[in-house]
Amino acid sequence: QQQVKQSPQSLIVQKGGISIINCAYENTAFDYFPWYQQFPGKGPALLIAIRPDVSEKKEGRFTISFNKSAKQFSLHIMDSQPGDSATYFCAASKSGNQGGKLIFGQGTELSVKP
Amino acid sequence: EPEVTQTPSHQVTQMGQEVILRCVPISNHLYFYWYRQILGQKVEFLVSFYNNEISEKSEIFDDQFSVERPDGSNFTLKIRSTKLEDSAMYFCASSLSPRMNTEAFFGQGTRLTVV
Repeated sequence: QQQVKQSPQSLIVQKGGISIINCAYENTAFDYFPWYQQFPGKGPALLIAIRPDVSEKKEGRFTISFNKSAKQFSLHIMDSQPGDSATYFCAASKSGNQGGKLIFGQGTELSVKP
Repeated sequence: EPEVTQTPSHQVTQMGQEVILRCVPISNHLYFYWYRQILGQKVEFLVSFYNNEISEKSEIFDDQFSVERPDGSNFTLKIRSTKLEDSAMYFCASSLSPRMNTEAFFGQGTRLTVV
C-alpha cells in the first residue's frame, strides 16, 4: 500500500513533442505528490508538486494532472527539449509529525532527440 | 541558493569496514533524511530525523545503520560493517517543516562502493 507505480520505464520523444509520464498510488493518506528530475551523477531536484485539492498544476512547460478518484497523477512536458533528457521520479508522501518521507516511483528515463 | 552538501562524493571501502557519510543540511531546515539509490533503481527512504531523534525508519535501516547530528550543522550516516549490497548512491535531504510537506532538498550524493 506504500508503493507508487510509475510508467513507462523509458521514453523517447522528438524535440518539440509532449512527454507524458504516469504514476499510480494506493495509499489514500498521501497528500503531497512531487516530481523530481535527476541528471546523471546528481541528486534528485524538485521539478513541480501538487496537493490533492487541485486537479492540475502548471509551471512553465511542466504540468501535473491529478485524478484523486483514480489515484493517479501524471507529468506532462510540453515542447520537450534535449535539455529535458533526464530521469524523472514521481513521489508521494503524507503530512504528519513524523515528517514527509518520500515514496518514490521506479523512475522514467526520458530521452529527447534533436 | 542554499544547498545540501555531502562528503565524500565517492567512498570505496572493504567489506566489513565501517563508513561514515557526512551531510550538511540547509541551515534553517528542521527535518533530515537519508535515502539510497542502488544503480539503475529507484530512490529508497532509509531514515528521517527530527529534534535529535529518529522519527521514522525503513526496514532497510537495520542495526548496522545509525544516524547522528553531532553538532549544529552536520548530519551523518554510519554503516558499522559494510556488505557488498550496501553499494549504492546515498542521498541526504533536508526540509523545513515538520508537519506540512515542504520541498525536500537533496544533496549530490555519496557513491559508496563496497569491495
